[in-house]
Amino acid sequence: EAGVTQFPSHSVIEKGQTVTLRCDPISGHDNLYWYRRVMGKEIKFLLHFVKESKQDESGMPNNRFLAERTGGTYSTLKVQPAELEDSGVYFCASSRPGRLMNEQFFGPGTRLTVL
Amino acid sequence: GNSVTQMEGPVTLSEEAFLTINCTYTATGYPSLFWYVQYPGEGLQLLLKATKADDKGSNKGFEATYRKETTSFHLEKGSVQVSDSAVYFCALKKRNRDDKIIFGKGTRLHILP
Repeated sequence: EAGVTQFPSHSVIEKGQTVTLRCDPISGHDNLYWYRRVMGKEIKFLLHFVKESKQDESGMPNNRFLAERTGGTYSTLKVQPAELEDSGVYFCASSRPGRLMNEQFFGPGTRLTVL
Repeated sequence: GNSVTQMEGPVTLSEEAFLTINCTYTATGYPSLFWYVQYPGEGLQLLLKATKADDKGSNKGFEATYRKETTSFHLEKGSVQVSDSAVYFCALKKRNRDDKIIFGKGTRLHILP
């Protein structure tokens, strides 16, 4: 069974540009999460989808970030316009439906560099 | 608020040395505690977990015991290998509808042959 995949693995953009990150969860996993690790700091939760609905978006830093999960399969996270402080590694995770304590399986992350 | 504090890295050890990475947490209630590991070029993997006080999680020779009295979950391994070189994250998750994982800053471990 394939794991969580993320695309691209690296992205280098200039301040003010737009970037879209993609996450493909494990098949059958209704729960999808986005996290971010800014250089030298802890990994922080951004948001949680259950199927196509946003269950919790309390970690989204501001309205420059837009996450979607149309059809309840893959998800995209768009940053528009990107700022220097958005640089970091963006992780996606997914888990099976149902019980709250199901393990979250993480992807390899997308390293975003904003110049 | 809820938080996790772990020892600063990098930690450099020789092969077969004893490893301890300290982790303490602040949380209301009784969270579940985790150690995740990120090997070079890979995603985060769950290494071990403990869901209640005095539980010991173990995997791949690593162990950590949930100590409620000291709010700690220190990671230990008796004899490390070069292949253990990675970044280790201590984390917690609360026992309610809040499904987010709260991570520490990570500790980079280098094992020298």
